Amino acid sequence: NAGVTQTPKFRVLKTGQSMTLLCAQDMNHEYMYWYRQDPGMGLRLIHYSVGEGTTAKGEVPDGYNVSRLKKQNFLLGLESAAPSQTSVYFCASRKWGRDTEAFFGQGTRLTVV
Amino acid sequence: AQKITQTQPGMFVQEKEAVTLDCTYDTSDQSYGLFWYKQPSSGEMIFLIYQGSYDEQNATEGRYSLNFQKARKSANLVISASQLGDSAMYFCAMREGPGGYQKVTFGTGTKLQVIP
Repeated sequence: NAGVTQTPKFRVLKTGQSMTLLCAQDMNHEYMYWYRQDPGMGLRLIHYSVGEGTTAKGEVPDGYNVSRLKKQNFLLGLESAAPSQTSVYFCASRKWGRDTEAFFGQGTRLTVV
Repeated sequence: AQKITQTQPGMFVQEKEAVTLDCTYDTSDQSYGLFWYKQPSSGEMIFLIYQGSYDEQNATEGRYSLNFQKARKSANLVISASQLGDSAMYFCAMREGPGGYQKVTFGTGTKLQVIP
């Protein structure tokens, strides 16, 4: 029972490079979320999805794109990485309903140099 | 505007004592929920407790209780009988959103250190 799995766990990018972070969940959850965590800033919502084929912007969407082609996967893309995107990225999923908790992946540490 | 406010960047508590971590929130939704998560130094996010806006009683889970004051828009976490393993970052979060578009946003966290 894997839960929420993020790939990769660590990555170093050069400024201007692109990459995709993969989030996979095996709990058949409808909601999926991408956050970034920076010191003193807590977790900030980048984008989220309420179901296959749907995405919505969160608090800090600029510089990121997402896709949810399959219910179990939520991809976060950086088209042209910038040092300001150095962060720890967390993915989470939630079951449909009001009173359901979010389950988190283990995080991806991304450094842009 | 910040939706979730945690005003205590850091807190100390003596082992076996109780501690309250503050959280205030801002929403115009009638239906919403408040969560607390723990993040130890290892980095994983651990769900602790949940309170729905329509719940009349305060939520409790073992040593964790949520002091929910709807009129004041506060959802403070109370940890009783603190243990050394409680040392961690604690995040308050809110679920809100129209219809099915529910998002979950977090506060900036409180770092709790339990002193032997």
